[in-house]
Amino acid sequence: DADVTQTPRNRITKTGKRIMLECSQTKGHDRMYWYRQDPGLGLRLIYYSFDVKDINKGEISDGYSVSRQAQAKFSLSLESAIPNQTALYFCATSDQVGSKDLTFGAGSRLTVL
Amino acid sequence: DAKTTQPPSMDCAEGRAANLPCNHSTISGNEYVYWYRQIHSQGPQYIIHGLKNNETNEMASLIITEDRKSSTLILPHATLRDTAVYYCIVRTGNKLVFGAGTILRVKS
Repeated sequence: DADVTQTPRNRITKTGKRIMLECSQTKGHDRMYWYRQDPGLGLRLIYYSFDVKDINKGEISDGYSVSRQAQAKFSLSLESAIPNQTALYFCATSDQVGSKDLTFGAGSRLTVL
Repeated sequence: DAKTTQPPSMDCAEGRAANLPCNHSTISGNEYVYWYRQIHSQGPQYIIHGLKNNETNEMASLIITEDRKSSTLILPHATLRDTAVYYCIVRTGNKLVFGAGTILRVKS
């Protein structure tokens, strides 16, 4: 089983619909992140959470919200999806600042029509 | 925030060393340099990181200049499976900020 699991892996939806992308991890890490990737571009940070009671905005949080339901779960919501939110979304975890690595999920491809 | 500059693409012959450069001229003294790679549309994979000393692991070597304004990732014997986008990142505070990276194409 993957250390970081994202669901759904692919989703096609319509403008105005509410969408939730879920992320769960078995790494035991405190820190979790949501990134967005557009074609030909690097990853941009949407939100991050350093523990269950901590939520922080990243570079591009407008139009998104998150929920940290437990140490192992971090979900990303689009309350009213719009076409320019069509992208590949990645969840990642890490154990601490200065930790050597982020562990990424396999990605969730979202298409908003 | 420190920014990084990488060439958009590079080619490398299979079996040869791949040397990927990165400029980070505004890096602060306590900021680490990280390298990740992304194969096709998979999640990025950690490769190596360093502060000021050169580092080596089973995947690669990281050479950081003495003034820390640039670094080079070295894949000693590139294989076709090393074809990927390579990201050089300076850790800013509590998060990693990814740029566009370098597309490395390893050719037989």
